[in-house]
Amino acid sequence: GAVVSQHPSWVICKSGTSVKIECRSLDFQATTMFWYRQFPKQSLMLMATSNEGSKATYEQGVEKDKFLINHASLTLSTLTVTSAHPEDSSFYICSARGTGKLNTEAFFGQGTRLTVV
Amino acid sequence: SQELEQSPQSLIVQEGKNLTINCTSSKTLYGLYWYKQKYGEGLIFLMMLQKGGEEKSHEKITAKLDEKKQQSSLHITASQPSHAGIYLCGADGSSGGGTSYGKLTFGQGTILTVHP
Repeated sequence: GAVVSQHPSWVICKSGTSVKIECRSLDFQATTMFWYRQFPKQSLMLMATSNEGSKATYEQGVEKDKFLINHASLTLSTLTVTSAHPEDSSFYICSARGTGKLNTEAFFGQGTRLTVV
Repeated sequence: SQELEQSPQSLIVQEGKNLTINCTSSKTLYGLYWYKQKYGEGLIFLMMLQKGGEEKSHEKITAKLDEKKQQSSLHITASQPSHAGIYLCGADGSSGGGTSYGKLTFGQGTILTVHP
């Protein structure tokens, strides 16, 4: 149980275009989802916390207008990188926190590698 | 904010050797996760520790959390090439209140190479 699926696993886009990444909890409801970013040879850095039905909370230094997060249902959160530029190329990974017994830890998706050319 | 420091940053060992990776926190740990990652891939959950003095093992990997809950170690016995990868410790953002469960701060990672 507690599987999180992220889609796509990799994407290449042209500079200036927007890219949407999906994070789905497959067998549990996730009231909260977290989005992380990992640059090459660096650790994961939290970008934002996404709560179902409310606005996301962004970490300091993360542009909310550039990284749009939507958590419209208890099983899906999306991250849209708007007007992507080469410096946005990174590994994006989400995690989901469940309800009930699954409320005390988060389960990670497999990540999305974004390359902006 | 909480900071985690991992040591060493990289480690090269011969197959069959034992090794230890450490994770030190600037604040008391309320939940400490260990993950393994292949570069550019998702995280593989290894273990989670919450109680001071807690120790968990899975196959050849043992993780411990010290009594003061500010340091954790990951020990691999008789390493194999399959153990190679990046090991990350992550601290849960909860401070007993429950509102930050799952919000993790990660250490910088330890790159493990195991030579056959």
